[in-house]
Amino acid sequence: DSGVTQTPKHLITATGQRVTLRCSPRSGDLSVYWYQQSLDQGLQFLIQYYNGEERAKGNILERFSAQQFPDLHSELNLSSLELGDSALYFCASSVDLGRNTEAFFGQGTRLTVV
Amino acid sequence: GENVEQHPSTLSVQEGDSAVIKCTYSDSASNYFPWYKQELGKRPQLIIDIRSNVGEKKDQRIAVTLNKTAKHFSLHITETQPEDSAVYFCAAGRGDSNYQLIWGAGTKLIIKP
Repeated sequence: DSGVTQTPKHLITATGQRVTLRCSPRSGDLSVYWYQQSLDQGLQFLIQYYNGEERAKGNILERFSAQQFPDLHSELNLSSLELGDSALYFCASSVDLGRNTEAFFGQGTRLTVV
Repeated sequence: GENVEQHPSTLSVQEGDSAVIKCTYSDSASNYFPWYKQELGKRPQLIIDIRSNVGEKKDQRIAVTLNKTAKHFSLHITETQPEDSAVYFCAAGRGDSNYQLIWGAGTKLIIKP
């Protein structure tokens, strides 16, 4: 167990809908990262938050948004869902900005858009 | 933009033999190079990492080498075992305020009995 908790584990929804994925980082970790992993694909970095502020952005679509709350948990909001958004979404956390430190991954949320 | 190329995409080796996975990065400012292992249906987990001030690091059967001049780094697994079967991801990052790891596409390692 990495200490990073993601909910829900599985989510099935229809095209056009909106979903929210939740991540609780390890106790004491200030940085949260979101990744998308499509079937048999690599890890695509979406966005990073540090202590409530957005710090880095990757290939995140405009239909997607995220935030980190004062208690350091984070939510990834996916709207106007398309079939191609079906993927495993990972959250990871690290103690600081991630400079030369390990990032711990949650178990992921598997999103299926039908 | 910055990128990390990882080869091969699939690697099949006989149990007991060695496996080598190679990555090349483009950002010369990168100074942190982790390797993550992802078993089927599970989350990625760090197995070894190296920083730019060293050229090689070992941990039992796994080792990573770094060539900063050529901008490439490699993962070496010796005496492979069935439990080494997984997807391995390399990444490159740098310690600045806009930190993000740039990930390779992954290598599926298959250990044949």
